Formats: sequence, C-alpha cells, structure tokens
Amino acid sequence: GAGVSQSPRYKVTKRGQDVTLRCDPISSHATLYWYQQALGQGPEFLTYFNYEAQPDKSGLPSDRFSAERPEGSISTLTIQRTEQRDSAMYRCASSLRDTRRETQYFGPGTRLLVL
Amino acid sequence: AQSVTQPDIHITVSEGASLELRCNYSYGATPYLFWYVQSPGQGLQLLLKYFSGDTLVQGIKGFEAEFKRSQSSFNLRKPSVHWSDAAEYFCAVGGDTGRRALTFGSGTRLQVQP
Repeated sequence: GAGVSQSPRYKVTKRGQDVTLRCDPISSHATLYWYQQALGQGPEFLTYFNYEAQPDKSGLPSDRFSAERPEGSISTLTIQRTEQRDSAMYRCASSLRDTRRETQYFGPGTRLLVL
Repeated sequence: AQSVTQPDIHITVSEGASLELRCNYSYGATPYLFWYVQSPGQGLQLLLKYFSGDTLVQGIKGFEAEFKRSQSSFNLRKPSVHWSDAAEYFCAVGGDTGRRALTFGSGTRLQVQP
C-alpha cells in the first residue's frame, strides 16, 4: 500500500482481556517494527521483524506481549491478560531493508485503553 | 546505551519567527540521528536524518539540523515558522551495532501564535 496502516485505530478493553493489533506495512518493505508510546513520551522499541524472522524482541515488556509476521507481510501484536499499564499508543513502522541506515516509516498507531 | 534528551517539553513561537528545538544524545560511536514530526491523528513523519558527511542537513518543510559532535547535539531549526508547523517533534538516535531500534526523546510540543 501507499503507507503503513494499522487497525484498529482505537481499542478499549477491560483488564484481563486479550487484544490483538494489526499492522500492514508498505508493500515492498522487508522490515517491520513495533513501538509503544506512553502519553507524553517518545516511542519505545518493542520488537522487529525481517520478513518472518524476529531477530530482536528485547523490548517486549513481559511474556504477555507477543508478535508475529507469519508470511513476512502483515504483522500482529498480541497482549494477553491486559493490564491498565498497557494503555498506550502502539506504533508500527516499516523500512525497505534490514540495515541501520534505513528510514523507518510509521503508521498512524493504535490507541489502546485498558479499563 | 544510546539515549536522547529533549530539554524543552513545550515551546511557543510567533508565526514568522525563527525556531530552534534542542536535542542532545548519548552514544559511543558516530550516531545515526533523526528528527520526526507528529501531527494529531497522524503517524510520525521523518523530517531529516544524519548518518555522515556534511554536518548541516536539510530536510522537508524548510527544516534543517546541525550535528555537533563536540556538544553531542543535533538541534532542529527553521528560519520562519508557519502556523501549520504546530505539532510534536521527536529527536531519535539509532545505529547501535546489531540493533535496529531507534531511541526517541520525550518530544517537544510546538505551539505557533498568530
């Protein structure tokens, strides 16, 4: 597609429920990133994929967070047993190649509110 | 570990005035530096980036930034601000060997007065 898209744009859930967020990267891009952005803060890295591989998941805050990209295109981020502290904007980005110099293009984000 | 500090949480300037947003980074080697802008309801848009070479970098929308190694700074500037520049601005550093993660500052919110 023309840009990175994310769905849903807003999600309200109750504590303890599972949520799944979706990211559709720019079609030619090999690399996909997930970031978490708390209110009033900059985005913080969660994990990234190069095609289907997930070389770095060091930023995932707990084992309740997982991500996958089974066909090397669309990715999902799942949060199990959500907690109020998970409330944040979740941003996805993609880049053309898996190198440090590549520009990361960001989607509009999914705002998650856990009640 | 790499880190970024944006000392100004909020800045207000008059339309037509000049702008400078400060960014200081901590990084062992030559960093890769970025400025992104975030408008309401929009994703982060890249304004400019620095990897090497000329330390004065030109970006989109009339923005520029200067890399100063001695000061560990990468300040963003614009000679004349437009009302449409009101947004939140994030400085980021990347380049850790083997890592793709960008480390962002906490952002500076820019207000433009008519």
